[in-house]
Amino acid sequence: DQQVKQNSPSLSVQEGRISILNCDYTNSMFDYFLWYKKYPAEGPTFLISISSIKDKNEDGRFTVFLNKSAKHLSLHIVPSQPGDSAVYFCATRRATNKLIFGTGTLLAVQP
Amino acid sequence: KAGVTQTPRYLIKTRGQQVTLSCSPISGHRSVSWYQQTPGQGLQFLFEYFSETQRNKGNFPGRFSGRQFSNSRSEMNVSTLELGDSALYLCASSLVVGTGELFFGEGSRLTVL
Repeated sequence: DQQVKQNSPSLSVQEGRISILNCDYTNSMFDYFLWYKKYPAEGPTFLISISSIKDKNEDGRFTVFLNKSAKHLSLHIVPSQPGDSAVYFCATRRATNKLIFGTGTLLAVQP
Repeated sequence: KAGVTQTPRYLIKTRGQQVTLSCSPISGHRSVSWYQQTPGQGLQFLFEYFSETQRNKGNFPGRFSGRQFSNSRSEMNVSTLELGDSALYLCASSLVVGTGELFFGEGSRLTVL
């Protein structure tokens, strides 16, 4: 049973435009959410996180939004750059480092 | 500062054999976690260790085991390998437990024939 779902396996965006990656979760007890980015032949890299007590967290071009009532998480990248092309995983955890990952969304930013 | 180092990077085994994978965390990091990545299942949690103690274990059979040494280095072992164990095994370390902000190594790619 997938507790964290990323329903879009891939997304293609033009350089300079906004990329929006989505994630849904099932358990309202999750208290912390994260996004990781993964390039081929590399391990995932932590990108940005948000606590369940917030609804938005921003870090440069990256903003994560949390809608607790809808159990929905999204990552906005503005403006998108070709170097952002990678697989993006959302993840969640409950007070440990045991992360539950989504299946990932492959973002392709076209020059 | 050196990142998380995993060895070996690639290995090929046959069914029934066993394998040991090694992970050296970032210096000063005492928490080490292991994940399995497969095309069908994505990233699945295997174990988490802190100060040589297993804190969490994922839903994997007993053939999967791990340990952490006093210098925080960790190993995981898979016995009686099956074809379905072919995967990328990722080790991650963190300075503290609980943030979920992990530093991953490049992984060990295991192929079981």
